[in-house]
Amino acid sequence: EAGVTQFPSHSVIEKGQTVTLRCDPISGHDNLYWYRRVMGKEIKFLLHFVKESKQDESGMPNNRFLAERTGGTYSTLKVQPAELEDSGVYFCASSRGGNEQFFGPGTRLTVL
Amino acid sequence: AQSVSQHNHHVILSEAASLELGCNYSYGGTVNLFWYVQYPGQHLQLLLKYFSGDPLVKGIKGFEAEFIKSKFSFNLRKPSVQWSDTAEYFCAVRVRSNFGNEKLTFGTGTRLTIIP
Repeated sequence: EAGVTQFPSHSVIEKGQTVTLRCDPISGHDNLYWYRRVMGKEIKFLLHFVKESKQDESGMPNNRFLAERTGGTYSTLKVQPAELEDSGVYFCASSRGGNEQFFGPGTRLTVL
Repeated sequence: AQSVSQHNHHVILSEAASLELGCNYSYGGTVNLFWYVQYPGQHLQLLLKYFSGDPLVKGIKGFEAEFIKSKFSFNLRKPSVQWSDTAEYFCAVRVRSNFGNEKLTFGTGTRLTIIP
């Protein structure tokens, strides 16, 4: 069984540009989560999808962040326009019901 | 809102030493507790979890953790560490609710370095 995959693994952009991160969950996992770790700090929850619906988006920092999960399969997280403080590692995780969350390798975003 | 504290930022031990990493959380209701590990260059992976029942839980690679409700703690232990345990360790809490809240709240992580 393939794990959670994320693309790209690393992205370097300039302030003001747009970046789109992609997450492919484990097949059959209805729950998909986005988290972010800013350097040296804790991993913070961003939002939670159940299939294509946003169950909880309480962790989204502001309206520059837009997450979608059309069709309930893969998800994208777009940052537009990117700011310096958006730099960090963005993790995606998926789960079946309330069970263990399986994490992807993360996307390291650097905003210059 | 719940929070998780990991008091040790960086721990350095020699091989065969015993390990205990502290984790305390703040939330008065029912919680699920987790320890995740991230080995260098790898994904976060689950070490062990506590949902209910025996407060002493055993995980992979010889790790165990004890849930002490009165102390709001879930410390991670291993009697004898190996060089391959070098990694970053994260404690996490999930609050159980009726509203489908599944999010994990993490601590800041503890970097463990094992010296051969």
